[in-house]
Amino acid sequence: EVQLVESGGGLVQPGGSLKLSCAASGFTFSGSAMHWVRLASGKGLEWVGRIRTKANNYATVYAASVEGRFTISRDDSKNTAYLQMNSLKTEDTAVYYCTRHQWESRAGHWFDPWGQGTLVTVSS
Amino acid sequence: QSVLTQPPSASGTPGQRVTISCSGSSSNIGTNTVNWYQQLPGTAPKLLIYSNNQRPSGVPGRFSGSKSGTSASLAISGLQSEDEADYYCAAWDDSLNGRLVFGGGTKLTVL
Repeated sequence: EVQLVESGGGLVQPGGSLKLSCAASGFTFSGSAMHWVRLASGKGLEWVGRIRTKANNYATVYAASVEGRFTISRDDSKNTAYLQMNSLKTEDTAVYYCTRHQWESRAGHWFDPWGQGTLVTVSS
Repeated sequence: QSVLTQPPSASGTPGQRVTISCSGSSSNIGTNTVNWYQQLPGTAPKLLIYSNNQRPSGVPGRFSGSKSGTSASLAISGLQSEDEADYYCAAWDDSLNGRLVFGGGTKLTVL
């Protein structure tokens, strides 16, 4: 079974840091780009960023709202992706999901599956 | 404000057909395929439609997607109570250097 499990969420003060993990199983993790998406209460899904595979130099790209503060990394030996969040703001409070990038040349790109999410609360 | 525009809410009675629109621009929907995600209350998002109109295995045939120009639509026929959820469209935006954009989401209520 293809599965993604996030962990590491919690309560952090504004200006603080937190590192989320996304453990993958049931598929060849090293061959898949991985993304992070968040959902703040009362708002819609917001794409956070992605990391590509080793073959694509582990290239990363981020949403403008988190660029320079968040860093996505991966450890293929552990089948795990990470989201390092620094200089956290109250508006970063959300449930954070990791998801696998799927691609077919004639069908385009999509996300499947998604993890269950981990809650990050930024508050003093 | 989201780059892709969806109505914030939609509703229908059991058995009805409901459509949810998603409006974008030439740099996103006009150029790239559209995917739809369903988020049931308290659960993670789930892939509902990919590549504009393709259903993953396990998704009922009641769900269908379409795209024309810079807009896309999700149609749900034979509405059921378990379809009550939030629905999001998504597409890559070529003007944003490979970044993905979501619609603001549509909350579907089954009356």
